[in-house]
Amino acid sequence: QQPVQSPQAVILREGEDAVINCSSSKALYSVHWYRQKHGEAPVFLMILLKGGEQKGHEKISASFNEKKQQSSLYLTASQLSYSGTYFCAQGGSQGNLIFGKGTKLSVKP
Amino acid sequence: DAGVIQSPRHEVTEMGQEVTLRCKPISGHDYLFWYRQTMMRGLELLIYFNNNVPIDDSGMPEDRFSAKMPNASFSTLKIQPSEPRDSAVYFCASSFNRINYGYTFGSGTRLTVV
Repeated sequence: QQPVQSPQAVILREGEDAVINCSSSKALYSVHWYRQKHGEAPVFLMILLKGGEQKGHEKISASFNEKKQQSSLYLTASQLSYSGTYFCAQGGSQGNLIFGKGTKLSVKP
Repeated sequence: DAGVIQSPRHEVTEMGQEVTLRCKPISGHDYLFWYRQTMMRGLELLIYFNNNVPIDDSGMPEDRFSAKMPNASFSTLKIQPSEPRDSAVYFCASSFNRINYGYTFGSGTRLTVV
């Protein structure tokens, strides 16, 4: 029931782009994205609600395709500060927010 | 707002001892969540409260775990007796909504049971 994230890890050079995918086996009402740096708490990035919307946050944006039960996080022109573990979390009609296992992103100079 | 405040930041205790973790949510948030994070299992929801009332505690692993929210500004998670397998980072988070609003997490309590 946990959303599946891919890839599990990615290494980038500064300025490169990345896409992190999140798939669910259940119907979704919302998808959350969080970033957690080592030794810190997860930090909320954005939420996408049912309706197939796309959102942006600085150079980080995301899309949500409710029919495919998928969401993708797009990081463009990555910066060193983007390094961390990215989690998607799914909100279904029943039950609570369930977090994926995370995608570790490392941005190198 | 100071955000979600948790204490202590680190706790080292011996097996069998009682451990109490504390959380102060963001003022005005109706929902409070307790999560546990481990490398193996990731972020797991233990219990959540709505307007100080426990709604779903199905994630609490055993009867050794209990949580209370006596008022809107304070919650505790207690483990009694503690065991080595309880070692993890415990996060408290608060929000306006269960699934349609972002969560704000506290800094977490790193618990080590030896």
